[in-house]
Amino acid sequence: ETGVTQSPTHLIKTRGQQVTLRCSSQSGHNTVSWYQQALGQGPQFIFQYYREEENGRGNFPPRFSGLQFPNYSSELNVNALELDDSALYLCASSLATGGYNEQFFGPGTRLTVL
Amino acid sequence: AQSVTQLGSHVSVSEGALVLLRCNYSSSVPPYLFWYVQYPNQGLQLLLKYTSAATLVKGINGFEAEFKKSETSFHLTKPSAHMSDAAEYFCAVRFFSGGYNKLIFGAGTRLAVHP
Repeated sequence: ETGVTQSPTHLIKTRGQQVTLRCSSQSGHNTVSWYQQALGQGPQFIFQYYREEENGRGNFPPRFSGLQFPNYSSELNVNALELDDSALYLCASSLATGGYNEQFFGPGTRLTVL
Repeated sequence: AQSVTQLGSHVSVSEGALVLLRCNYSSSVPPYLFWYVQYPNQGLQLLLKYTSAATLVKGINGFEAEFKKSETSFHLTKPSAHMSDAAEYFCAVRFFSGGYNKLIFGAGTRLAVHP
């Protein structure tokens, strides 16, 4: 069974640029959630995708957007990067069953915005 | 609304000593609670979870946590610290609404273990 993978591992961008982060969910999982973890803080929920649709969103501006593909992999896109976007971005996959569903986390992508 | 507060951003213990990491939650519904560990430059690994069954939950690596509704607490303990336990620990509560669920995390507690 393959776990959650994310790419790239590290990324450096400059202010105003756009970035795309990728996540492959664990085998059999149909739901992907994205979290932002700023330095010294706990992860903050960005949004969740289920069956290729966004079904929940945290307190993040529209320049944070995502996609989920038919194979349940996912992308996180951030436009007009700001310095405060520097963080570790975590992807978590789960199997939606209508009840409790455990989220399994990937290793994260470290984004640095200069 | 649901939230989590972790008391103490840094905890330092001696190898072999008791580890106690504190977590208090706020929830308008019966909570699902979690403890995750994060090693440097890695993602989150689930240590244990409470999902309304037994109030004393045992997890991996010798950790356990007790759910106390009267105190709204879910503290993490380990009887004897090991050097390999040095990491960042996060307490989280599940938020569920209208078909999606998310985890709400505390700010984390960094555990240092010294010889």
